[in-house]
Amino acid sequence: DAGVIQSPRHEVTEMGQEVTLRCKPISGHNSLFWYRQTMMRGLELLIYFNNNVPIDDSGMPEDRFSAKMPNASFSTLKIQPSEPRDSAVYFCASSLDPNYGYTFGSGTRLTVV
Amino acid sequence: GENVEQHPSTLSVQEGDSAVIKCTYSDSASNYFPWYKQELGKRPQLIIDIRSNVGEKKDQRIAVTLNKTAKHFSLHITETQPEDSAVYFCAENTNAGKSTFGDGTTLTVKP
Repeated sequence: DAGVIQSPRHEVTEMGQEVTLRCKPISGHNSLFWYRQTMMRGLELLIYFNNNVPIDDSGMPEDRFSAKMPNASFSTLKIQPSEPRDSAVYFCASSLDPNYGYTFGSGTRLTVV
Repeated sequence: GENVEQHPSTLSVQEGDSAVIKCTYSDSASNYFPWYKQELGKRPQLIIDIRSNVGEKKDQRIAVTLNKTAKHFSLHITETQPEDSAVYFCAENTNAGKSTFGDGTTLTVKP
């Protein structure tokens, strides 16, 4: 298995632009998580899905952020409009079950200028 | 709500010495406690985990202990090597199914 696949690896965009991050979880994993990592705030859970259904989106910063999981093999995290304070590394992770360890993707390093 | 405190934030040891990282949690419903290692510029990777019905688990040079009464758990690394240098995160899960992470410990192993 190729593991959790995220794209793009790096994204530089101008403030106000729309950004879409993509994730392909490990086949057979039922849970998918989006985390954001910064030096100041550490690893923050943004949203997680179980069997493609959003379970907890309380970590989504504001209405500019949205996430979808249209099927078991694909999820997107969208930021519209982007702001400089959104600059961070965004990780997608998947697991067999919410109460198992996570496999993280390589992350997307987002820079908003 | 969920809260995980991790100590120390930085730890420096000499190669061959042991390293211990401790975490405390507040939710008595927490039942799963994973540990992740994140090397510089890389993704976090699961290195060991423990469930609430077990007090200790060991895998070669790493071990984790859990004290449910006191609500704390610890990572122990013995015979440390330079390649153990990384940021280590503890986490805890409740039945809500999501991991809440500690703030991380930067471990430096000096050759």
